[in-house]
Amino acid sequence: DQQVKQNSPSLSVQEGRISILNCDYTNSMFDYFLWYKKYPAEGPTFLISISSIKDKNEDGRFTVFLNKSAKHLSLHIVPSQPGDSAVYFCAAIVRKLIFGQGTELSVKP
Amino acid sequence: EPEVTQTPSHQVTQMGQEVILRCVPISNHLYFYWYRQILGQKVEFLVSFYNNEISEKSEIFDDQFSVERPDGSNFTLKIRSTKLEDSAMYFCASSEAQGLNYGYTFGSGTRLTVV
Repeated sequence: DQQVKQNSPSLSVQEGRISILNCDYTNSMFDYFLWYKKYPAEGPTFLISISSIKDKNEDGRFTVFLNKSAKHLSLHIVPSQPGDSAVYFCAAIVRKLIFGQGTELSVKP
Repeated sequence: EPEVTQTPSHQVTQMGQEVILRCVPISNHLYFYWYRQILGQKVEFLVSFYNNEISEKSEIFDDQFSVERPDGSNFTLKIRSTKLEDSAMYFCASSEAQGLNYGYTFGSGTRLTVV
């Protein structure tokens, strides 16, 4: 039951460049999505969210794009910093959070 | 900033033993959750709890699992007879309410190792 999928387990980016993390979902009833960031030995921390009535939400260096027709969302980080290195989880919310598998981002100095 | 506190940070137990994982949610939050992450896999929902009862549970949350809010502050997850496959990080989370705009705050997790 993989309603939320992150097909790239890892991504490596140079400092200062753009990081693009992708997420696909299967349930068209989902109408709110979130991105969480997780460091080792810590719990997930909320990063940014988007409602299905929007196609873009921006917060500083982080922008989430939603393409409802494609059931796809992406998180853009510009510019990427070494401190952004973490596992990023896409999640949909339906009374509870449904997470994707996560993408491990490594930002190299 | 308010945080969700989980204890212990690491628990090692023998197969077949009972374990209790403890959580102190944020004080004004009303909804409580347990999630787990088996090494290398995604974070999976186990159970949600509201108004002193389970509001939803996943297939993973079978009869071996139970949750309790024994007092006004603690929220516990009990595994009655642990199996090797219960080894995972267990995360507690809380939120003010269910729904679109309410953030979930997660604890740092308890690493459960069943040997």
